[in-house]
Amino acid sequence: GAVVSQHPSRVICKSGTSVKIECRSLDFQATTMFWYRQFPKKSLMLMATSNEGSKATYEQGVEKDKFLINHASLTLSTLTVTSAHPEDSSFYICSARALGTEAFFGQGTRLTVV
Amino acid sequence: AQSVTQLDSHVSVSEGTPVLLRCNYSSSYSPSLFWYVQHPNKGLQLLLKYTSAATLVKGINGFEAEFKKSETSFHLTKPSAHMSDAAEYFCVVNNAGNMLTFGGGTRLMVKP
Repeated sequence: GAVVSQHPSRVICKSGTSVKIECRSLDFQATTMFWYRQFPKKSLMLMATSNEGSKATYEQGVEKDKFLINHASLTLSTLTVTSAHPEDSSFYICSARALGTEAFFGQGTRLTVV
Repeated sequence: AQSVTQLDSHVSVSEGTPVLLRCNYSSSYSPSLFWYVQHPNKGLQLLLKYTSAATLVKGINGFEAEFKKSETSFHLTKPSAHMSDAAEYFCVVNNAGNMLTFGGGTRLMVKP
């Protein structure tokens, strides 16, 4: 299947700083990318959907100014957690799909804010 | 609207015995259905998918699932559990469009 690479796999940052997570489709052009957050012992929660070249669509309750999403090319989307706080600590997963195909998932990023 | 219900949050089986993870869905359209597996601190791996072809779908690692429209179910099965199958499993539904809806997940534990 297609490969989606997410980087970094783990990151620890200090409270108040910002951290960027990258999601790359390595062997296909991703017209749409999704960002999910997974709380402990819970399912994945869709945060936002981004289409290349346009603004991301955020799900209800997700702060767009806190979770900045950029989908500047057909192979790269980034999620920036701004002014991170301990409650932002979570497992973040991206997925990417080309037009008419299934979504492929990245490996996930474990964010710990101390 | 679409929704997915995984009926068991935890399933425990002995190694070598059958596995059954239950999933029911609701959808306004003919959906695509998926099962994903997530090992601890890892990303999601696609096990299998149903996209309106054969109703019995075979996936990786000996897993299979049967789409039953009359019961709106897509249960995941495996004849014989292996220790390496211990993980979290997610049933996912996708209608036309980009939205993937995840079930709550089922944690599978395999006892030696």
